Amino acid sequence: QQPVQSPQAVILREGEDAVINCSSSKALYSVHWYRQKHGEAPVFLMILLKGGEQKGHEKISASFNEKKQQSSLYLTASQLSYSGTYFCGTEDQAGTALIFGKGTTLSVSS
Amino acid sequence: GAGVSQSPSNKVTEKGKDVELRCDPISGHTALYWYRQSLGQGLEFLIYFQGNSAPDKSGLPSDRFSAERTGGSVSTLTIQRTQQEDSAVYLCASSPQGGQPQHFGDGTRLSIL
Repeated sequence: QQPVQSPQAVILREGEDAVINCSSSKALYSVHWYRQKHGEAPVFLMILLKGGEQKGHEKISASFNEKKQQSSLYLTASQLSYSGTYFCGTEDQAGTALIFGKGTTLSVSS
Repeated sequence: GAGVSQSPSNKVTEKGKDVELRCDPISGHTALYWYRQSLGQGLEFLIYFQGNSAPDKSGLPSDRFSAERTGGSVSTLTIQRTQQEDSAVYLCASSPQGGQPQHFGDGTRLSIL
């Protein structure tokens, strides 16, 4: 079952923060986050596992609420380089196919 | 080191023809995935190979689509009797094992005339 991402699009100025949400109707084992810049292949950001903690770097982090079957990606003090489409992918069991949401397009301007 | 390699990078063909798309994963990666991305759309799962296990074909949109992975390495996605709605970018990804970070190739842009 395809996860649902929200919002569909975000427009930011440099330095502003954003939150991208990913929710599923099924129990999840893991959530993966990828970023795709225009005309390029998707690039891995992070994985959150069931029972795991919030992960990430200083300015890009994510959380996983197993009970709510939701994950959120937090982008703080956004930079121009953050622009792109962010996809969450979900696994309902370990080692099964990763199903991606439709993506959230983030545009950061100066 | 070498990443995931896909060929051809672009393919233009006439409706009704068969096409074969190739994916060469990162050496040692046991998991291989195919996705389809239509213009401005998300990543549509097609098929997933993990080691010697039977592939998960649940994402293949019709019986015109098939894929194989020979010797646990190179994979070929075949589309028979192509239709205009098959036009898309076909992306391949591999990972050391299932559930681990996926490394994507640059994709094959397929255009059906």
